[in-house]
Amino acid sequence: KNEVEQSPQNLTAQEGEFITINCSYSVGISALHWLQQHPGGGIVSLFMLSSGKKKHGRLIATINIQEKHSSLHITASHPRDSAVYICAPWGGGSNYKLTFGKGTLLTVNP
Amino acid sequence: ETGVTQTPRHLVMGMTNKKSLKCEQHLGHNAMYWYKQSAKKPLELMFVYNFKEQTENNSVPSRFSPECPNSSHLFLHLHTLQPEDSALYLCASSQDQAGASAGELFFGEGSRLTVL
Repeated sequence: KNEVEQSPQNLTAQEGEFITINCSYSVGISALHWLQQHPGGGIVSLFMLSSGKKKHGRLIATINIQEKHSSLHITASHPRDSAVYICAPWGGGSNYKLTFGKGTLLTVNP
Repeated sequence: ETGVTQTPRHLVMGMTNKKSLKCEQHLGHNAMYWYKQSAKKPLELMFVYNFKEQTENNSVPSRFSPECPNSSHLFLHLHTLQPEDSALYLCASSQDQAGASAGELFFGEGSRLTVL
């Protein structure tokens, strides 16, 4: 069983819609990454957060360490947001390894 | 453009071939990683190099052989692969090994490998 569960696995939206992707994990963590993978394969780090909320443009990430849950929100979605979004919690300390979710495939239609 | 370059982007090879994947970064990072991404599976860490020394081999079969000649270059040598090894192989780097989580991880575009 994967220690990281993302939902939904697939999401289709119309341009302009508000998007939410959820991530739940079973391991204790110090921080969590949200990554974006475009169809070409390259992965970009969007956020690393350990508490509260972070905002970058139309992207907002929140985390509740106690509830072991994080969400990624996209406001005013655009077709260029179409990608796979991956949640990756980190255990902390000397354990540098990230645990990855399977990803959420987002398709935003014009 | 993340500063991590992988070549080739696509590779098709037979099970008896020998090929290599190359990763290059000029970000001044000291840690480099190979990840495997198979369809509908999470990213799997394969190897980690920190200051040119291998610090992690995540039970990877010996038909995959990494090489890190310096902090800027990382290779993955492939020999007698199986069709189930077909996947996207991603290289990443970070300032140092701890930086993968404490800071940021920079990924390349990946090499799409097909084993016939």
